[in-house]
Amino acid sequence: GAGVSQSPRYKVAKRGQDVALRCDPISGHVSLFWYQQALGQGPEFLTYFQNEAQLDKSGLPSDRFFAERPEGSVSTLKIQRTQQEDSAVYLCASTTPVAGVDNEQFFGPGTRLTVL
Amino acid sequence: GESVGLHLPTLSVQEGDNSIINCAYSNSASDYFIWYKQESGKGPQFIIDIRSNMDKRQGQRVTVLLNKTVKHLSLQIAATQPGDSAVYFCAVPRIVAAGNKLTFGGGTRVLVKP
Repeated sequence: GAGVSQSPRYKVAKRGQDVALRCDPISGHVSLFWYQQALGQGPEFLTYFQNEAQLDKSGLPSDRFFAERPEGSVSTLKIQRTQQEDSAVYLCASTTPVAGVDNEQFFGPGTRLTVL
Repeated sequence: GESVGLHLPTLSVQEGDNSIINCAYSNSASDYFIWYKQESGKGPQFIIDIRSNMDKRQGQRVTVLLNKTVKHLSLQIAATQPGDSAVYFCAVPRIVAAGNKLTFGGGTRVLVKP
């Protein structure tokens, strides 16, 4: 079946521009996560949704970062006034609603953002 | 907080040989560990997991070993193939607000030489 999809796959922005990154989770997955992966590093948690509710946004690096999931399905990560340090791959993951630490997260291919 | 790190950033291995990737973790209360594989241009993909009540778990050509005494785990890949070339991460999930926040290590790149 279809996995997690993300668009665009690549985005080049000039410093100061706003960008919007989209994530389509696996159908029926109520939990959705955003991670940021800098070059040569492991992914780092940004924020988490359960349905439309954003339950944890502790990883968002600044108030320029904003995420939403208004209908509990598609999610958008928005970065305002992009800076060079925002250059990274942004990964989205979704998972089933089964509670538990061993609930596997399925990752999308990521959006590679380059800020010039 | 949790920190997870790897000892070797790059591992070059001959095709057919075995690969061993190491990972250290800091939180002794962690009770579940996951290994992910990330190929170029793709998101991380689940390989194998292990609970803290186990010290070894085997999958298809992969084995994970857990040493809770020294807070270390390793991933062994048997008969490494070209398709195993990727970056490998260990990760520790932590339940937050009914979801699992993953903390990843820095990654080890495995390069398989033909």
